[in-house]
Amino acid sequence: GAVVSQHPSWVICKSGTSVKIECRSLDFQATTMFWYRQFPKQSLMLMATSNEGSKATYEQGVEKDKFLINHASLTLSTLTVTSAHPEDSSFYICSAMPLSGLEFRGYTFGSGTRLTVV
Amino acid sequence: AQTVTQSQPEMSVQEAETVTLSCTYDTSESDYYLFWYKQPPSRQMILVIRQEAYKQQNATENRFSVNFQKAAKSFSLKISDSQLGDAAMYFCASLMNRDDKIIFGKGTRLHILP
Repeated sequence: GAVVSQHPSWVICKSGTSVKIECRSLDFQATTMFWYRQFPKQSLMLMATSNEGSKATYEQGVEKDKFLINHASLTLSTLTVTSAHPEDSSFYICSAMPLSGLEFRGYTFGSGTRLTVV
Repeated sequence: AQTVTQSQPEMSVQEAETVTLSCTYDTSESDYYLFWYKQPPSRQMILVIRQEAYKQQNATENRFSVNFQKAAKSFSLKISDSQLGDAAMYFCASLMNRDDKIIFGKGTRLHILP
């Protein structure tokens, strides 16, 4: 149980276009999901907290107009990278916190999305 | 602010031997969780072990155990009988119950020598 699916696993886009990444909890509901960014050989940096039915909370230094987050249901959060530039190329990972009913063992992570902007 | 520090960028251990990865953290909170996550080359984050701050007993999961020193804010991971499949990046992480965010250390790359 507690599986998180992230799609796509990799994407290449042209500079100036927008890219949407989906994060789905498959067998549990999640009022809260988290989006991380990971540069090569570095740690995961928290970008934002996605809350179902309300606005996301962004970490300091993260441009909310560039990284649009929508959490429209208890099983889906999306991250849209708008007007992507090569410096946005990175590995993006989501994680989800179960709503209830599961022994808390730590958040489940998606398998990540490698974004390359050319 | 919540911080997690891993001072060992890389470590190596001989197969079947024991290795300890270090982690310190800083928080003023009393209610929190600590974790060790493994990230193999596939980059999938895998939970290795967790520790609730209110529990004095050190957590264990098969070959993995922690040494949780709350007063010293130290949380080290011991891997016994190291196996080739243990080779990965290991991240120490903390979660404060007040804001539910998991914050990661910089990671330690573990090499297993055959």
